[in-house]
Amino acid sequence: EVQLVESGGGLVQPGGSLKLSCAASGFTFSGSAMHWVRQASGKGLEWVGRIRSKANSYATAYAASVKGRFTISRDDSKNTAYLQMNSLKTEDTAVYYCTRPGYCTNGVCFRYWGQGTLVTVSS
Amino acid sequence: NFMLTQPHSVSESPGKTVTISCTRSSGSIASNYVQWYQQRPGSSPTTVIYEDNQRPSGVPDRFSGSIDSSSNSASLTISGLKTEDEADYYCQSYDSSSLWVFGGGTKLTVL
Repeated sequence: EVQLVESGGGLVQPGGSLKLSCAASGFTFSGSAMHWVRQASGKGLEWVGRIRSKANSYATAYAASVKGRFTISRDDSKNTAYLQMNSLKTEDTAVYYCTRPGYCTNGVCFRYWGQGTLVTVSS
Repeated sequence: NFMLTQPHSVSESPGKTVTISCTRSSGSIASNYVQWYQQRPGSSPTTVIYEDNQRPSGVPDRFSGSIDSSSNSASLTISGLKTEDEADYYCQSYDSSSLWVFGGGTKLTVL
């Protein structure tokens, strides 16, 4: 059974940093791209970024709203993906989900989701 | 870059049929697959339709998806509505410039 478990959320001041983790199990983590998607309270889903596998050079991509502030990384030995968030703004307040692609043949849709971790940016 | 626009909310009675639209702002709706996710309150999203009209195993055939190039939109149709279908629904697509894009979501009320 595929499981994705996020952790690391919490309260941080504007301008601060936070690092989220996504522990994966039940599949070959090293061969899978991993994404982060966020959702502000009462709002819709927003794609944050993606990291590909070692075979794809760990290539990353980010939404314009977080580019230059957020960094996605992974440790295949620990089956864990990370989201390093710097220069946080109040508008980054959201539940952050990690997701794994599936179903679609070209890897552009999301099949597995974690339960999410809440990040609150406030003074 | 493109956006996906959904109605904010729809409502219908149990047993009826409802259709939720998702209109692509630029570029062809047919150029990249559209997915639909269901999100119940307090839960993570789950896929109900992928690749425009494919249903994952376990999703009832009351759920169907389609695209319409003339209106540049995708649609999610739910027939035989049940109270358990009450949820938020999001469309999602991709292109190499905008990358992964979600619609704003539609709140379905079954009353």
